[in-house]
Amino acid sequence: GENVEQHPSTLSVQEGDSAVIKCTYSDSASNYFPWYKQELGKGPQLIIDIRSNVGEKKDQRIAVTLNKTAKHFSLHITETQPEDSAVYFCAAGGGYQKVTFGIGTKLQVIP
Amino acid sequence: NAGVMQNPRHLVRRRGQEARLRCSPMKGHSHVYWYRQLPEEGLKFMVYLQKENIIDESGMPKERFSAEFPKEGPSILRIQQVVRGDSAAYFCASSRQGTGANVLTFGAGSRLTVL
Repeated sequence: GENVEQHPSTLSVQEGDSAVIKCTYSDSASNYFPWYKQELGKGPQLIIDIRSNVGEKKDQRIAVTLNKTAKHFSLHITETQPEDSAVYFCAAGGGYQKVTFGIGTKLQVIP
Repeated sequence: NAGVMQNPRHLVRRRGQEARLRCSPMKGHSHVYWYRQLPEEGLKFMVYLQKENIIDESGMPKERFSAEFPKEGPSILRIQQVVRGDSAAYFCASSRQGTGANVLTFGAGSRLTVL
């Protein structure tokens, strides 16, 4: 089955700096790569996703990149704000596979 | 336009009791997924169901755990004879279609504490 690895497990940045979270996946059949944000005591919420027919997608301060050859994908958050502090999960899925999640990255934005 | 509704939000059980967690998917969604999140860990897939069918239960423990999604009513995750190791947050998600390339919408979770 699919295996998703996520790094780093914790990340602290100064407000206004950028944050980058990286993930790798194992199954070349995966073609859907969502990112979720989970705030304390809440369920994960989808913030952005990318499909394998594109290499990059951007939504305001958030961007995702995908390298299918290397089986890498990354989340980039620019101009970080304190409200970006949360746990971020990458995931991979596609076809008839279930969506498999990474272990999560706890992001702390320091004011 | 309610999202995925889970209840109870918090549940406390003593060892050996039964826990029942309920999940109502988003309107228009007929596919339900259950994930378990242990403290400081990621989301582990447990089971995927459609109405009256279990599609994939590869993440479910073989004993004590069961899930259903009846024709009418919410999906239910049932844990019999709970043990302390069952303490976790259980999240339900739903999707409109059932492949792995469709957006999952999560509920707020049910947090089970076993004393």
